[in-house]
Amino acid sequence: NAGVTQTPKFRILKIGQSMTLQCTQDMNHNYMYWYRQDPGMGLKLIYYSVGAGITDKGEVPNGYNVSRSTTEDFPLRLELAAPSQTSVYFCASSHDRSSGANVLTFGAGSRLTVL
Amino acid sequence: DAKTTQPPSMDCAEGRAANLPCNHSTISGNEYVYWYRQIHSQGPQYIIHGLKNNETNEMASLIITEDRKSSTLILPHATLRDTAVYYCIGINAGNNRKLIWGLGTSLAVNP
Repeated sequence: NAGVTQTPKFRILKIGQSMTLQCTQDMNHNYMYWYRQDPGMGLKLIYYSVGAGITDKGEVPNGYNVSRSTTEDFPLRLELAAPSQTSVYFCASSHDRSSGANVLTFGAGSRLTVL
Repeated sequence: DAKTTQPPSMDCAEGRAANLPCNHSTISGNEYVYWYRQIHSQGPQYIIHGLKNNETNEMASLIITEDRKSSTLILPHATLRDTAVYYCIGINAGNNRKLIWGLGTSLAVNP
């Protein structure tokens, strides 16, 4: 049981380049999330998905796009990389429960530097 | 969802209990208190959660005051590997998309 797997772990981009951060989970969770974490700061939600085919914006969606074609995969796309997108990106997943525990499981993170 | 307040940093001696406080005075009746921790730059890790009763699992204990305005996470025998940032979060069940991650408490466990 791998949990949440993110690739790549590290990436350096030039300004204006595009790339996709991959995220896959094998826990059959219906909810998936993308967060970014800047140095010394808490996590900020970029996008989330409540199930295949459904995505919605979080707190800081500008400059990013997502898709959710399957339950397992939730890739995050950066179209025109900017230095402000230098950050550590975390993917997470959870079940959707109306009560009780709704624990987030996180990936190991993807460290992105835009120069 | 409830705003939480935590001290920015704490120290603890290895082998002693680490007691991490959290104030959540605006928490509503159906909001759970969750604790996560983040070791170095890894992804956050779930520790424990509770609604109004005290809870214990293999990692920690959670003590919630009777008025639910504050709680304390207890690591009974802290080890060096418990050095991390600890986040206390108030959240409605099923509403992870509205989680607000503050700066947490940076716990340093010293030998």
